[in-house]
Amino acid sequence: GQQLNQSPQSMFIQEGEDVSMNCTSSSIFNTWLWYKQDPGEGPVLLIALYKAGELTSNGRLTAQFGITRKDSFLNISASIPSDVGIYFCAGPSGYSSASKIIFGSGTRLSIRP
Amino acid sequence: DTGVSQDPRHKITKRGQNVTFRCDPISEHNRLYWYRQTLGQGPEFLTYFQNEAQLEKSRLLSDRFSAERPKGSFSTLEIQRTEQGDSAMYLCASSLLTGGNRAGELFFGEGSRLTVL
Repeated sequence: GQQLNQSPQSMFIQEGEDVSMNCTSSSIFNTWLWYKQDPGEGPVLLIALYKAGELTSNGRLTAQFGITRKDSFLNISASIPSDVGIYFCAGPSGYSSASKIIFGSGTRLSIRP
Repeated sequence: DTGVSQDPRHKITKRGQNVTFRCDPISEHNRLYWYRQTLGQGPEFLTYFQNEAQLEKSRLLSDRFSAERPKGSFSTLEIQRTEQGDSAMYLCASSLLTGGNRAGELFFGEGSRLTVL
């Protein structure tokens, strides 16, 4: 079945740094979704992308839908402590965007003391 | 609160017992998902419903797991004869499938954490 691979698995950043992470798949996705999960809570949707090449921002977050439709990127500018958490990419597993939604294994973001 | 709610938030049980989790989705949402999440992993798909119809159940799921959404509103996930490997966070999410196809915009509950001793 389709799988989503996220990299890096974890990263330590200094407050104020920019952050980049990505998500790849061996097959084409029609929708890319980025979620953030804080400890003890369910994931929360950050950004949704629906067209190849699309670049969408949500505050300091920017995500891009890769041209090949097999990858997506999430950037966080000028990181702050509340950015700490786990970031997941997700997408519909079939050709229809109404297919079940599957998730990557996440990128854990921590602040370097 | 009009978000997705799950009950109970925590459940500790002995191996071999049955457990049931309940999920109340956002009221106008027609899709409801169940996921399982273990430490360091992303949410793993278990099953999902559109209204009261169960559309798919993960092949990884044994027959000990069953889910229902009898009236297209709340859903229950039952695990029979629990095993220690069932210990995990069980997440419920809902979404609204429309002609605009934004069905991937899931709203999650806070999860039900299961510990099997």
